[in-house]
Amino acid sequence: AQSVTQLGSHVSVSEGALVLLRCNYSSSVPPYLFWYVQYPNQGLQLLLKYTSAATLVKGINGFEAEFKKSETSFHLTKPSAHMSDAAEYFCAAGNTGGFKTIFGAGTRLFVKA
Amino acid sequence: ETGVTQSPTHLIKTRGQQVTLRCSSQSGHNTVSWYQQALGQGPQFIFQYYREEENGRGNFPPRFSGLQFPNYSSELNVNALELDDSALYLCASSLGTGGNEQFFGPGTRLTVL
Repeated sequence: AQSVTQLGSHVSVSEGALVLLRCNYSSSVPPYLFWYVQYPNQGLQLLLKYTSAATLVKGINGFEAEFKKSETSFHLTKPSAHMSDAAEYFCAAGNTGGFKTIFGAGTRLFVKA
Repeated sequence: ETGVTQSPTHLIKTRGQQVTLRCSSQSGHNTVSWYQQALGQGPQFIFQYYREEENGRGNFPPRFSGLQFPNYSSELNVNALELDDSALYLCASSLGTGGNEQFFGPGTRLTVL
């Protein structure tokens, strides 16, 4: 069964520092992979999506993620954190033709001034 | 273009009661997925409806049921509420199934006392 693991339930960075949120997936078939952001009391917003077209995916708000099949990873990065980036981030996976999207448990990002 | 809307925003019920949550899809979307997000966890897939038919289901008991209407809006019904049903219920719409981008509503916060 497919699963998504996010390493670290909480990550704290200083404003202007690199953001790195880790995600590993388990699947025998390269899946669709997503990163979503959730602000308090809101739904999820798509940051970026991997669909096998390119291993480095650029998303909104300066975020990007790199698909590494050999490591079954899809880590999210941003070169310089901003206070407005403080939120919950979810990695998710879905299979081609499938109906089910599997979410990780989430990583809460804190940004210190 | 209207986004995904959900009603009500908050709901308080007691154990054993029944509840109906509603979702209006984004314009042009024919697929609706429902997720349960318990506090501090990632969304868990409940089921998906595609063109008014259930297209897949997660590990939820039959007391969780749904409907999709000809205008692609949807309902989630939960019977015999249990305390563990307390969660944020998210609806997401998409055009087609599989890896297509899902657009999430703000959710309905259900509290079962």
